[in-house]
Amino acid sequence: AQSVTQPDIHITVSEGASLELRCNYSYGATPYLFWYVQSPGQGLQLLLKYFSGDTLVQGIKGFEAEFKRSQSSFNLRKPSVHWSDAAEYFCAVGDNAGNNRKLIWGLGTSLAVNP
Amino acid sequence: KAGVTQTPRYLIKTRGQQVTLSCSPISGHRSVSWYQQTPGQGLQFLFEYFSETQRNKGNFPGRFSGRQFSNSRSEMNVSTLELGDSALYLCASSLFTSGSSYNEQFFGPGTRLTVL
Repeated sequence: AQSVTQPDIHITVSEGASLELRCNYSYGATPYLFWYVQSPGQGLQLLLKYFSGDTLVQGIKGFEAEFKRSQSSFNLRKPSVHWSDAAEYFCAVGDNAGNNRKLIWGLGTSLAVNP
Repeated sequence: KAGVTQTPRYLIKTRGQQVTLSCSPISGHRSVSWYQQTPGQGLQFLFEYFSETQRNKGNFPGRFSGRQFSNSRSEMNVSTLELGDSALYLCASSLFTSGSSYNEQFFGPGTRLTVL
């Protein structure tokens, strides 16, 4: 069955430090991969997506992610974290087999940023 | 363009009652999906509607139902509420095209349902 694993439940980093959030997926076909961010009381905002092509994708707010098929991973990175990046981050796989369209989600990683 | 809107934003109900949540997609978007978000289970897919037809359904009991209107607005209904139905219910809209491409989903702010 398709699944997404985000191994880190909570991460704390200092402002200005680099960040990497891990995401591993299990999916039989070519995955459609997404990273979303959710701030308190807000809906989900798409940071970036991978459909095909270049395995390093750039997103909004200075985020990037790298698709590694051999490792079934799609880790999110940011070179320098800002206090406003504190939020919940979700990795998702788009299941588009036939008419079966849905997103399969990881449980999320909560990011705290120390000043 | 206005984003996805959901009403109401907050609801408090008691066990056994029923509830209806509403979602208005982005103009031009014809697909609407619903998700349930809880701390323990995370985000789980409920169902997707396109052109007033349910295209896909997650693993939820029949107490959870939905519909879509001709203007693409969607409602979901939960009957005979249980304590475990307390959650944030998120609606997402997307363009829907056939083929292998996967359209980005745009999310609303959610409806926070509390069942007492």
